[in-house]
Amino acid sequence: DADVTQTPRNRITKTGKRIMLECSQTKGHDRMYWYRQDPGLGLRLIYYSFDVKDINKGEISDGYSVSRQAQAKFSLSLESAIPNQTALYFCATSDTLGTGTYNEQFFGPGTRLTVL
Amino acid sequence: TQLLEQSPQFLSIQEGENLTVYCNSSSVFSSLQWYRQEPGEGPVLLVTVVTGGEVKKLKRLTFQFGDARKDSSLHITAAQTGDTGLYLCAGRGSSNTGKLIFGQGTTLQVKP
Repeated sequence: DADVTQTPRNRITKTGKRIMLECSQTKGHDRMYWYRQDPGLGLRLIYYSFDVKDINKGEISDGYSVSRQAQAKFSLSLESAIPNQTALYFCATSDTLGTGTYNEQFFGPGTRLTVL
Repeated sequence: TQLLEQSPQFLSIQEGENLTVYCNSSSVFSSLQWYRQEPGEGPVLLVTVVTGGEVKKLKRLTFQFGDARKDSSLHITAAQTGDTGLYLCAGRGSSNTGKLIFGQGTTLQVKP
């Protein structure tokens, strides 16, 4: 079974609609991240959370919000979707940094979102 | 703002050829990682380099971290069709936030 799962895997929606992308993990990691991937731009960080009570904005948080419902669950919401939010979205997790650890991130399979 | 520039962005070669992908920045990173991503999947970690000048080998893949910890390279010897994919470098800054800065990625196509 996958350690990091994302639902849905594909979604087509219309401009102005609210949409939620969900991420669950069984790795027991405290840290979770949401990225978007666009061709030629790599992965850009939207939000990250170091524990249930800690939520931080990434480099491109405008137009997005998140909720950390539990250690294992981190959801991303688009309150009013727009076409330039069409992208591939990835959730990732990592363990708490400690001596000798270098923050390997474990990624889910991604959600392909199309906003018409 | 820390940035990582990858080059080339796209590479198409024949099986058996060698190639090098570069990852450059004007900023110093405490560590640098290389990930590989296949279609329909998330990136998967290949290697982490930590020390300036460090070289790590993973079968036919050789990774190097620059002496000043501002750049890195990935060299593939005798590429195989199974090496096809998107290669991403990612750097971690000196703070303990755990955030990674990703390069734009290099799409590698190895033709039989």
